[in-house]
Amino acid sequence: SYVLTQPPSLSLAAGQTAKITCGGDNIGSRSVHWYQQRPGQAPLLVVYDDSDRPSGIPERFSGSTSGNTATLTINRVEDADEADYYCQVWDRETVHRVFGGGTKLTVL
Amino acid sequence: DVQLVQSGVEVKKPGESLKIACQGSGYNFNDNWIGWVRQMPGKGLEWMGIVYPDDSDSRYSLSFQGQVTFSADKSINTAYLEWESLQASDSGMYFCARVRGYCGVTSCPGEFDHWGQGTQVIVSS
Repeated sequence: SYVLTQPPSLSLAAGQTAKITCGGDNIGSRSVHWYQQRPGQAPLLVVYDDSDRPSGIPERFSGSTSGNTATLTINRVEDADEADYYCQVWDRETVHRVFGGGTKLTVL
Repeated sequence: DVQLVQSGVEVKKPGESLKIACQGSGYNFNDNWIGWVRQMPGKGLEWMGIVYPDDSDSRYSLSFQGQVTFSADKSINTAYLEWESLQASDSGMYFCARVRGYCGVTSCPGEFDHWGQGTQVIVSS
């Protein structure tokens, strides 16, 4: 089955740039979606189709893919960005949606 | 505004049955597949499958096939997730979410663009 690998955690100071990676075999050929989940809340879509932003999501959030890695970039990180972030793709071989294990972003 | 509202906390005993609900509003409920996602305490998101409200056509993750049943009642814009006999290991948070775009027999690449608030299921003797 298709596996998405994310670093378990990332810590940085407010105002810095966060780059959260999602590794998968030839992930650049798939549509990658990213979700933010703040503590005690439902997930929220922040990037879809690799790099598109839903309405209401700040421009500080952006996505990119290349080769075997997809990246969610958060510029000028704020306290409110402290959350778990999950990548997700559709695996056409197993006909399943797949989530990455999630990355916990801590803002120091 | 698109909204998905889920039913409330459930506390059940092992062996009992359960059906939780997800009601949509603010869009044509029949037009989009609804997905179900499990989150065990302190863990990540797991895709359970999807259901098409118009005819209850369902696709299940292999991990959940035979363990749960999806259904829908389009007359009241509601999708359901059902267990016939709960186990303690079914305890967790369950989210419904709307799938954007078309789903074919072997392709459903769209994202989950709107989510319900979650239903907590506690199974304990």
